[in-house]
Amino acid sequence: DQQVKQNSPSLSVQEGRISILNCDYTNSMFDYFLWYKKYPAEGPTFLISISSIKDKNEDGRFTVFLNKSAKHLSLHIVPSQPGDSAVYFCAASEGGATNKLIFGTGTLLAVQP
Amino acid sequence: DTEVTQTPKHLVMGMTNKKSLKCEQHMGHRAMYWYKQKAKKPPELMFVYSYEKLSINESVPSRFSPECPNSSLLNLHLHALQPEDSALYLCASSQLWGDSYEQYFGPGTRLTVT
Repeated sequence: DQQVKQNSPSLSVQEGRISILNCDYTNSMFDYFLWYKKYPAEGPTFLISISSIKDKNEDGRFTVFLNKSAKHLSLHIVPSQPGDSAVYFCAASEGGATNKLIFGTGTLLAVQP
Repeated sequence: DTEVTQTPKHLVMGMTNKKSLKCEQHMGHRAMYWYKQKAKKPPELMFVYSYEKLSINESVPSRFSPECPNSSLLNLHLHALQPEDSALYLCASSQLWGDSYEQYFGPGTRLTVT
């Protein structure tokens, strides 16, 4: 059972435009959501997170939106840059004593110059 | 500083070898994690240590043996691995209190079992 899903395996965007990556989840006990960026053969890099008590969190070019009623979150990147080209994973956690992360399947973002 | 270091970066081992992967963090994090990642797949949790105690073992075969000598170090001992165990092994750490639960990942060890 895939508790965290990213239904778009890939996304192509022009440089300077907005990139929107989507993520859906099924577990209502998730308390914390995160986005990671990953280049091949490297560890994931933390980008931005949001607590379930918020509906928006912004950090520079990155904004994460959370819609709890729809169990949906999205990552907006504005403006997109070629260096943003990577695989993006969303992840969710119930927090607590172990902070176990459940990852989505990833979306490959390609930003075209 | 949000750095997690892992050694070695690459490792090739035969099926009868014994080797160890090492991970270190100096962020004061009290949770440390081992993940396995295959190509085009998300990271897959293997083990969680909370306050130096093993708190989650995701039904990992016994040929993988984790160890947490202290709050900054995490090892993964490997013995009698199979070729299908070839993957990128990632270490991560996080706080277990406050309002942030970000896990910070190391660069990984690329393991090839021959």
